[in-house]
Amino acid sequence: DAKTTQPTSMDCAEGRAANLPCNHSTISGNEYVYWYRQIHSQGPQYIIHGLKNNETNEMASLIITEDRKSSTLILPHATLRDTAVYYCISGSNDYKLSFGAGTTVTVRA
Amino acid sequence: DTAVSQTPKYLVTQMGNDKSIKCEQNLGHDTMYWYKQDSKKFLKIMFSYNNKELIINETVPNRFSPKSPDKAHLNLHINSLELGDSAVYFCASSPPSAAGANVLTFGAGSRLTVL
Repeated sequence: DAKTTQPTSMDCAEGRAANLPCNHSTISGNEYVYWYRQIHSQGPQYIIHGLKNNETNEMASLIITEDRKSSTLILPHATLRDTAVYYCISGSNDYKLSFGAGTTVTVRA
Repeated sequence: DTAVSQTPKYLVTQMGNDKSIKCEQNLGHDTMYWYKQDSKKFLKIMFSYNNKELIINETVPNRFSPKSPDKAHLNLHINSLELGDSAVYFCASSPPSAAGANVLTFGAGSRLTVL
């Protein structure tokens, strides 16, 4: 049961901003939007999460639409080390975060 | 210091054997998890433990038995291994807060190969 939909893959240029879209049209009021990424052969890594306000941390920015049906993860200056599978997940604190297929992001020099 | 550490990193074994994977976290988190990532790369939750108590069991066969001796450890024992058990198993932990419940820190994974 996919609760979010993301593009299968995308390319971006090194040094440019990477904008990763995610649709979560069935998100409920108490569910957050979480972003994780998994670099090849490593464990998943938490990036950022938000409820309804935009959020920013040292890794990325998260822009959530006013109706909360979609969001965008922004990597401000993509580097080759940002090549990974990025997962957008909606969920509440129910201790069973479900990962979908994610977006394979390739950063090209 | 590794926040979530798993051992072994690689495990190759024969069908029918019993094996264990150990996990330890030094983050002071209350909740620990086991996830399975198969060859198609989907990450699936198997178990969640909160303060050593099982809170989530996602219809995992009872050949899989997690054990949490204390809040910092969650081990996974697998009996009578089958070919389909071949996967990468990830341990994770999360802190006890409303929004933080799903902010997981993952280990590096343990790749199990059943021959």
